[in-house]
Amino acid sequence: SQQGEEDPQALSIQEGENATMNCSYKTSINNLQWYRQNSGRGLVHLILIRSNEREKHSGRLRVTLDTSKKSSSLLITASRAADTASYFCATVRWDYKLSFGAGTTVTVRA
Amino acid sequence: GAVVSQHPSRVICKSGTSVKIECRSLDFQATTMFWYRQFPKQSLMLMATSNEGSKATYEQGVEKDKFLINHASLTLSTLTVTSAHPEDSSFYICSAKDRGQEKLFFGSGTQLSVL
Repeated sequence: SQQGEEDPQALSIQEGENATMNCSYKTSINNLQWYRQNSGRGLVHLILIRSNEREKHSGRLRVTLDTSKKSSSLLITASRAADTASYFCATVRWDYKLSFGAGTTVTVRA
Repeated sequence: GAVVSQHPSRVICKSGTSVKIECRSLDFQATTMFWYRQFPKQSLMLMATSNEGSKATYEQGVEKDKFLINHASLTLSTLTVTSAHPEDSSFYICSAKDRGQEKLFFGSGTQLSVL
């Protein structure tokens, strides 16, 4: 079942700009993960943040988690054309079932 | 890094035929595999959870007789779409969990088109 809701649905930015997308969820989670999907392909894991963490960095990615608001954000800094893809948040329950958000389609213009 | 291989990447079949999709973990043992379905520009919808050596657990609304899942070994799970119809046309993606890891590894997906 789909738990997360993401906004915006689509984002178009210029190369070099930052891209921010948000994810909200409804139930308690074990951790929250962000994935990237290029058109017609499988998903690639980007970053995982545990329920007791508030912020995490990985390269040009920054993820925040606010469990009181049941929301997370993904920031991509200094975007590149190759960052063009769809980004999904996935909430993980205790039984390891992942529920994906609706996704944000990011287009980075050269 | 861990690799999940999914085949075929694309299949076109006639209505009424059955289609088998394979999902293999190439360099790790996947105790649990998940099968998802994705419609264009939409999110992934979990269809079923496949545990090695036991029956798959299907999500509500997913017909288990329609979508047969077999997880016969720690490296292979298969999804068979039986008596496929045009409404079964979709993008199917598998993912696998490596014991001790929290993230999932995804196959590259299978685009099924039923004529």
